Amino acid sequence: AQTVTQSQPEMSVQEAETVTLSCTYDTSENNYYLFWYKQPPSRQMILVIRQEAYKQQNATENRFSVNFQKAAKSFSLKISDSQLGDTAMYFCAFMSYTNAGKSTFGDGTTLTVKP
Amino acid sequence: NAGVTQTPKFQVLKTGQSMTLQCAQDMNHEYMSWYRQDPGMGLRLIHYSVGAGITDQGEVPNGYNVSRSTTEDFPLRLLSAAPSQTSVYFCASSPRYGGELFFGEGSRLTVL
Repeated sequence: AQTVTQSQPEMSVQEAETVTLSCTYDTSENNYYLFWYKQPPSRQMILVIRQEAYKQQNATENRFSVNFQKAAKSFSLKISDSQLGDTAMYFCAFMSYTNAGKSTFGDGTTLTVKP
Repeated sequence: NAGVTQTPKFQVLKTGQSMTLQCAQDMNHEYMSWYRQDPGMGLRLIHYSVGAGITDQGEVPNGYNVSRSTTEDFPLRLLSAAPSQTSVYFCASSPRYGGELFFGEGSRLTVL
């Protein structure tokens, strides 16, 4: 079974600064996806970024980028130029190719962006 | 494009009552799943389906029942509600080739 660990329950950052959220996972699978989802106070789950394990290049989406270290089973999210709208809970999630359609989630990191 | 639609968004039940959370998706996704989210915790898988007529249990299936008669619909039934089932429930779908989950807006259930 896979596990996903987010060791930072809460974090804060000043507006316009950069913050990094940590995630580690454990799996014996070789082919899988990793995701970061954002959950603002509205409760909606929103995909932030995804990474396929076979890709060596780290994924980026505008101000969001990841540092994917496959051997270390680490998948951190960097948010650059933080904005007030980034305030949310962030979840790291794992999905293997052999169990597509279901994900294992970490417990989340609550991020507060301060003006 | 509606995506994944869950109803109701809020529900209060008394212990022992039964109810069904509805979930429908219009993206022709093969995979559908139900998760619950408790305070301070991530999402935990209740049940999932890889196609019409096929369902399987997830991490926390006890007290819940599902069926999948069509590709579009995946209702979650609470057979006899208990206070421990107070939670926020999310339905999600994803395509056969894998990739991210597409979520409904969530349903907040309170069992008194």
